[in-house]
Amino acid sequence: GENVEQHPSTLSVQEGDSAVIKCTYSDSASNYFPWYKQELGKRPQLIIDIRSNVGEKKDQRIAVTLNKTAKHFSLHITETQPEDSAVYFCAASIAFSGGYNKLIFGAGTRLAVHP
Amino acid sequence: DSGVTQTPKHLITATGQRVTLRCSPRSGDLSVYWYQQSLDQGLQFLIQYYNGEERAKGNILERFSAQQFPDLHSELNLSSLELGDSALYFCASSVGDRRGELFFGEGSRLTVL
Repeated sequence: GENVEQHPSTLSVQEGDSAVIKCTYSDSASNYFPWYKQELGKRPQLIIDIRSNVGEKKDQRIAVTLNKTAKHFSLHITETQPEDSAVYFCAASIAFSGGYNKLIFGAGTRLAVHP
Repeated sequence: DSGVTQTPKHLITATGQRVTLRCSPRSGDLSVYWYQQSLDQGLQFLIQYYNGEERAKGNILERFSAQQFPDLHSELNLSSLELGDSALYFCASSVGDRRGELFFGEGSRLTVL
């Protein structure tokens, strides 16, 4: 079945450093790759996403890259700040019209940014 | 505020009991998803509905069932509850087209004693 592996499970960085989280997926038909941030006790919130027809996408300090051949994608956070501390989840899905969209999440990465 | 409403926010019950969690999707969203998140764990996909019909199923236990009603709200029924069912249950909704973005509710925290 579909599977998404995420590494590392925990990541500790100093404020101002960069953080990179990597994910691999198993279903080559996957075409949508979002990243969610979940603060303690809160709901997951979408921070950035990328579709299979794009190799890279950037939004201010965060960027996502996708390598379809290798079936992996990564989240890059630059100039990290303490408020970036949270659990980050990658996900992969096949999304098409007609309502089918089985979004499978990775296990999550707990990011701690130390002042 | 994502626009997805879940009730109740907290629920404490005993083993063997049955509970119902309710979700109202964002206005205009046709798809509803249910996820289970145990303590310090990831998001386990349970089930998805689109416009009243089941579309995808994850590792949902036979003791659990769900449905989506004509007004598009959804309910997740958990029966014969066990201690291990204690978790945060999230509902999410999406338009249901190729865009794919999910919007999560605040979750229902279930504690089974």
